[in-house]
Amino acid sequence: RKEVEQDPGPFNVPEGATVAFNCTYSNSASQSFFWYRQDCRKEPKLLMSVYSSGNEDGRFTAQLNRASQYISLLIRDSKLSDSATYLCVVDTGRRALTFGSGTRLQVQP
Amino acid sequence: EADIYQTPRYLVIGTGKKITLECSQTMGHDKMYWYQQDPGMELHLIHYSYGVNSTEKGDLSSESTVSRIRTEHFPLTLESARPSHTSQYLCASSDLGRGSEQFFGPGTRLTVL
Repeated sequence: RKEVEQDPGPFNVPEGATVAFNCTYSNSASQSFFWYRQDCRKEPKLLMSVYSSGNEDGRFTAQLNRASQYISLLIRDSKLSDSATYLCVVDTGRRALTFGSGTRLQVQP
Repeated sequence: EADIYQTPRYLVIGTGKKITLECSQTMGHDKMYWYQQDPGMELHLIHYSYGVNSTEKGDLSSESTVSRIRTEHFPLTLESARPSHTSQYLCASSDLGRGSEQFFGPGTRLTVL
């Protein structure tokens, strides 16, 4: 079983839609959580950190459920520019952050 | 401006050649990493370093080697390139503290003919 699991998608949504991604992690000792965004053939970039109390950054909301060991990302009012792969990332205390394989989002006009 | 750089960005080379992919960061980060990623696939950690003179192998077995003689520099070397090495190689760096964000370079796209 992978340490971080994500639905690969693709999620095809119209502009203006609300879309949510979930991610599950297996290591209950994980302490830090992130969502990264990766555009096609580009490097991953931090989208937002995920805090226990949940956090919001504009149209993006991230939530953490430690009891069920999952993280979510909600995108409201989707834009064409939101099309990308969204990587769920967990700090399990190992040598590097553990990256999920990503969920692909395609926002259509 | 603090940043992380990789050169070359694209490299096409013949089988059997020795190559070195360069990675430098100006953020003063102690930890540095090399990842391999095929198109549309997940990231695989191949090497990491906690600081000068520290290098470790990652989760994915790789025929490449790395060195860390200076904090800011973490080059990756392939002694004899093969077509199976064709991939994108991404360098990253972070602070030592747990939970620190990893910053990625733009990557080197390697094609071995």
